[in-house]
Amino acid sequence: SQQGEEDPQALSIQEGENATMNCSYKTSINNLQWYRQNSGRGLVHLILIRSNEREKHSGRLRVTLDTSKKSSSLLITASRAADTASYFCATVSPNDYKLSFGAGTTVTVRA
Amino acid sequence: DAMVIQNPRYQVTQFGKPVTLSCSQTLNHNVMYWYQQKSSQAPKLLFHYYDKDFNNEADTPDNFQSRRPNTSFCFLDIRSPGLGDAAMYLCATTRQGNEKLFFGSGTQLSVL
Repeated sequence: SQQGEEDPQALSIQEGENATMNCSYKTSINNLQWYRQNSGRGLVHLILIRSNEREKHSGRLRVTLDTSKKSSSLLITASRAADTASYFCATVSPNDYKLSFGAGTTVTVRA
Repeated sequence: DAMVIQNPRYQVTQFGKPVTLSCSQTLNHNVMYWYQQKSSQAPKLLFHYYDKDFNNEADTPDNFQSRRPNTSFCFLDIRSPGLGDAAMYLCATTRQGNEKLFFGSGTQLSVL
């Protein structure tokens, strides 16, 4: 079943601007992961943040996690046209090996 | 180098005609997953294997079955495809269940 809900569903920004998307989830987690998917392709892992971590960085990506609010955010700084893709959050529960995905945010970066 | 390989990239089948999708991995990962993704939707988990231990999601239709003959290979069998089964099928692996997943490029299934 779908665990995460993402907001907004779609985002259109100018190249060079920052893009922020949010993910909320319902039950306790072991970790939360963000993935990227180009149209018609498989998903690519971006970043994993564990339940005891609050913030993580990877290149132009910054992820935050607030377990009290059951929410996470992904920030892409200085966006590029190549960042155009769908971004999904996914959660792993403490009890099993299943990764449950949110509905995703479609990001369009205009050149 | 591709680490999770799905074949074929595109598959067209007829309504009711059995079809098999394949996935192989060179990562020697214990866990393999099959996800179904319909247009503009989240990937939906169908099955996963932890080694040979098979785990079926409660809402996965009986029409879908899976085989994992060895660590490297996993197959998704759709016994009698319906129009509603047209989707992207994604295979993914991970070393252990709470780590990042490595996805294949997917197989886009069309049902005529």
